[in-house]
Amino acid sequence: QKEVEQDPGPLSVPEGAIVSLNCTYSNSAFQYFMWYRQYSRKGPELLMYTYSSGNKEDGRFTAQVDKSSKYISLFIRDSQPSDSATYLCAMSDIGAGNNRKLIWGLGTSLAVNP
Amino acid sequence: DGGITQSPKYLFRKEGQNVTLSCEQNLNHDAMYWYRQDPGQGLRLIYYSQIVNDFQKGDIAEGYSVSREKKESFPLTVTSAQKNPTAFYLCASKNLGGPGANVLTFGAGSRLTVL
Repeated sequence: QKEVEQDPGPLSVPEGAIVSLNCTYSNSAFQYFMWYRQYSRKGPELLMYTYSSGNKEDGRFTAQVDKSSKYISLFIRDSQPSDSATYLCAMSDIGAGNNRKLIWGLGTSLAVNP
Repeated sequence: DGGITQSPKYLFRKEGQNVTLSCEQNLNHDAMYWYRQDPGQGLRLIYYSQIVNDFQKGDIAEGYSVSREKKESFPLTVTSAQKNPTAFYLCASKNLGGPGANVLTFGAGSRLTVL
């Protein structure tokens, strides 16, 4: 079993839909959770960053962490064609000093259709 | 603007040749990383460096080499020993310590194709 599981999709939705992207993980020591967005042939860019449990909102994006279920989600409201990209989850534990290794999901490919 | 510059964006190599991918950052970040991205396999760590003149192997270091002679530069050499080098290569950097200690900033990537 991989440490982080993420459905690769592809996920296709109409413009304006609410999108839910998810990752599950097995290591209960994970404390830091990130979502990156990657457009085709580009490098990933940080979208959301959360520590421990709870929700974090930034505009149309909401990141949710449920540590009891080892499950994280990214919600996109009022999805736009410009949201079409691959969304990668990443997480790490406290680690030894600064040597925290990031564990990555495979990424979910999202297409928002006009 | 601060950021990470990778070059070249596209590179073609004949089998048996070594190639070097450039990565330069002006973010004053301490740590730098090289990842390889293949379809269906996600991001895999090749090498990383937390300080000048020091670096560590990642999960798939075989067939690759790096150097860190300057804080802002972390070039990756793909050697002829790498059996399947065709991939998208990503360079990243981050600060050590502080609120940004887990956040990687990525370059735009270099796509290497072996002919």
